[in-house]
Amino acid sequence: GQQLNQSPQSMFIQEGEDVSMNCTSSSIFNTWLWYKQDPGEGPVLLIALYKAGELTSNGRLTAQFGITRKDSFLNISASIPSDVGIYFCAGNPYNNNDMRFGAGTRLTVKP
Amino acid sequence: GAGVSQTPSNKVTEKGKYVELRCDPISGHTALYWYRQSLGQGPEFLIYFQGTGAADDSGLPNDRFFAVRPEGSVSTLKIQRTERGDSAVYLCASSAQDLGEQFFGPGTRLTVL
Repeated sequence: GQQLNQSPQSMFIQEGEDVSMNCTSSSIFNTWLWYKQDPGEGPVLLIALYKAGELTSNGRLTAQFGITRKDSFLNISASIPSDVGIYFCAGNPYNNNDMRFGAGTRLTVKP
Repeated sequence: GAGVSQTPSNKVTEKGKYVELRCDPISGHTALYWYRQSLGQGPEFLIYFQGTGAADDSGLPNDRFFAVRPEGSVSTLKIQRTERGDSAVYLCASSAQDLGEQFFGPGTRLTVL
């Protein structure tokens, strides 16, 4: 099936720095979503994108649905310690109901 | 609470045994999804229900895995003749509509010894 390539695998940053992570696919996706997962919890939705070119913000988070429908990025501005966690991109492939997830980006924020 | 709940939170079983994992979706959500998450990986799609029927079960790894949702609400994931490779966190999610935003439960950690 379609695979999502998420990068980077991990990031170590100082509090206050901006963060950027992205996801690419070899196939077209209908939706792109970004989730955050804390240890022992299920993923929590951060941002959902439904249209190519869409740029959406949620507080310090901004995400975009790529024009080609094969990629998306997530930016976090002015990181804080509670941003620590694993961030996953996910999406629905074209004409497909199931959700595909990337392997995740593990974010560590040093105070 | 009003979120997705899953029971048990942890399950330890022996190789070859049968297990059932339960998911209670958010009330009124018609779509329900099961995923499996191995350590260091993203969730892997298993099966998707729309109402009582399995709309897409293409992610079930083999015929030892089966899921039901008889009344369109609670769902049970059933694994027969468990193997050590089945050890993972099994996540359930629900959404109010097809391809809608999915809300995840905390997962069931399954360990097969």
